[in-house]
Amino acid sequence: DIQMTQSPTSLSASVGDRVSITCQASQDISNNLNWYQQKPGKAPRLLIYDASNLETGVPPRFSGSGTGTDFTLTISSLQPEDFATYYCQKYDSVSLTFGGGTKVEIK
Amino acid sequence: EVRLVESGGGLVQPGGSLRLSCAASGFTFSSFWMHWVRQAPGKGPVWVSRINEDGSGTNYADSVRGRFTISRDNAKNTLYLQMNSLRADDTALYYCARGGREVPTRWGQGTLVTVSS
Repeated sequence: DIQMTQSPTSLSASVGDRVSITCQASQDISNNLNWYQQKPGKAPRLLIYDASNLETGVPPRFSGSGTGTDFTLTISSLQPEDFATYYCQKYDSVSLTFGGGTKVEIK
Repeated sequence: EVRLVESGGGLVQPGGSLRLSCAASGFTFSSFWMHWVRQAPGKGPVWVSRINEDGSGTNYADSVRGRFTISRDNAKNTLYLQMNSLRADDTALYYCARGGREVPTRWGQGTLVTVSS
């Protein structure tokens, strides 16, 4: 099975900071990767699909990059509403797998 | 407005069964893949199962294959998850989600399943 490793597991940042979260696959997954944001008590929200495509309605400060085994979610200028937990999710022909998550906290 | 409302969760003993439902509205239900994803308290999401638009194709996570069955009724705009032989580690909030095949795009608010004696 392909394993997904997110890092860091948590980070502290200030409003306005540029923040990057990485997701590493144990094998080449091409661009088969999505990113989600989850706030406490809420369902996950899709941000990025197919590694780099911004979901409709998501602010452009969010971006995704990478292919193969290494992927990055970047928030260009952190806003108060962005403090949340972020998950990557890979897919293949038979299943979907979420990463362990990165909690973004206020410094 | 896309709306997904899960129901059917509750407290069940180990070895028991539950049937979850997800009522969909605000979109053409029969045109979308549907997913079940669960999340244990304090943990990340875990994909459970998916079903294609007409119900002819399904996939399951290894942890539930043979115990859970996903199905849909397009006439009733409803997704189901039949869960048998429940175990303590099935305890979670269960979300239904509209997708593509590879990406759950819109999620409900979930229904809580607790497996305990």
